[in-house]
Amino acid sequence: SYELTQPPSVSVSPGQTARITCSADALPKQYAYWYQQKPGQAPVLVIYKDSERASGIPERFSGSRSGTTVTLTISGVQAEDEADYYCQSADSSGTYPVVFGGGTKLTVL
Amino acid sequence: EVQLLESGGGLVQPGGSLRLTCAASGFTFSAYAMSWVRQAPGKGLEWVSGISGRGTSTYYADSVKGRFTVSRDNSKNTLYLQMNSLRADDTAVYYCAKARLTVTPNFDCWGQGTLVTVSS
Repeated sequence: SYELTQPPSVSVSPGQTARITCSADALPKQYAYWYQQKPGQAPVLVIYKDSERASGIPERFSGSRSGTTVTLTISGVQAEDEADYYCQSADSSGTYPVVFGGGTKLTVL
Repeated sequence: EVQLLESGGGLVQPGGSLRLTCAASGFTFSAYAMSWVRQAPGKGLEWVSGISGRGTSTYYADSVKGRFTVSRDNSKNTLYLQMNSLRADDTAVYYCAKARLTVTPNFDCWGQGTLVTVSS
């Protein structure tokens, strides 16, 4: 299997744009997914299939891909966006095993 | 409303066993693959195991292969994780997660988690 690499932390001021990257030496031709996890809570799906917003997710959340890097972008960051964010993909076969990135702590200054 | 409720966590000694249960409601349980994902204290998410909707296919992370067994009872809308030969590094919150109807597993609903502590 492979590893997904995320920066441990990203800090932005309210109203600014946060970008969280997720990369692998050879991110397979599988979609990437993003989850938000706030302290003491279960993860919530934010983005699926690289760039599709999950149900109920605000429009300020978006996803994109460039080569072997996928990026979660949060435009106009709000205090409530402070959380851990995890990218996820799957084995090169497209199914199991599931792989998570190490997570990125987004701090809103 | 889709709901997943885990139970069965607790304190267990190294080498011991524990069975986790996830009760599902609000959706056609048998139509969806399910997974267990764990999170050690202060650490990131780690996928543990998955099972197809009918229960005919199961998948495991290398870290638990041969020790954990995933199963489901679709008549009871319940997912299980039998954990044997537990080690200290199995200590974590264990979440059950419902997979979306796609080839590549990804999860649109998670339970609140149940804490497993492996310690003497």
